[in-house]
Amino acid sequence: DADVTQTPRNRITKTGKRIMLECSQTKGHDRMYWYRQDPGLGLRLIYYSFDVKDINKGEISDGYSVSRQAQAKFSLSLESAIPNQTALYFCATSDPQAGGYEQYFGPGTRLTVT
Amino acid sequence: AQSVTQLGSHVSVSEGALVLLRCNYSSSVPPYLFWYVQYPNQGLQLLLKYTSAATLVKGINGFEAEFKKSETSFHLTKPSAHMSDAAEYFCAVSRNSGNTPLVFGKGTRLSVIA
Repeated sequence: DADVTQTPRNRITKTGKRIMLECSQTKGHDRMYWYRQDPGLGLRLIYYSFDVKDINKGEISDGYSVSRQAQAKFSLSLESAIPNQTALYFCATSDPQAGGYEQYFGPGTRLTVT
Repeated sequence: AQSVTQLGSHVSVSEGALVLLRCNYSSSVPPYLFWYVQYPNQGLQLLLKYTSAATLVKGINGFEAEFKKSETSFHLTKPSAHMSDAAEYFCAVSRNSGNTPLVFGKGTRLSVIA
């Protein structure tokens, strides 16, 4: 089983709808992240959480919100989806205390807003 | 703030030829540097990382990168390209001894020609 899972893997929704993307991890990491990937723009950070009680905005948080329900779960919500939120969304985790500093990524959710 | 510049959004090489993907970083403190690979329809996988130990870092699949502080570079190389190396490659930086989220470059798509 994958260490970082994302659901759904693909989603098509309409403008104005509320949508939630979910991320779960079995790595036991405290830190979790949400990125979006757009062609030619790389990955941009939306939100990150260093533990259950710590939530931080990234560079492109407008139009998004998050919830850290438990150490293992970090959800991303689009309150009112718009077409320019069409993108590939990735969840990631890390554990600096283990000395690695790298992030581990889920398989991604492809979101299309029509 | 730290940033990463990847020179060339698309690089094409012949099978068996040298692969060179360029990455320059900007950081006010000693950085931690990473290369990730993304195969089609997959998440990001760590290739290698530099965390202030040896400046020449070896990774998976025959890739390596050299940290050059004087040039603020961390270029990725592989002596002989294989068809399976075709993918998108991302350079990323974290400052403050890894205690911040990664900042990614815009990516370089590598094509390998038979």
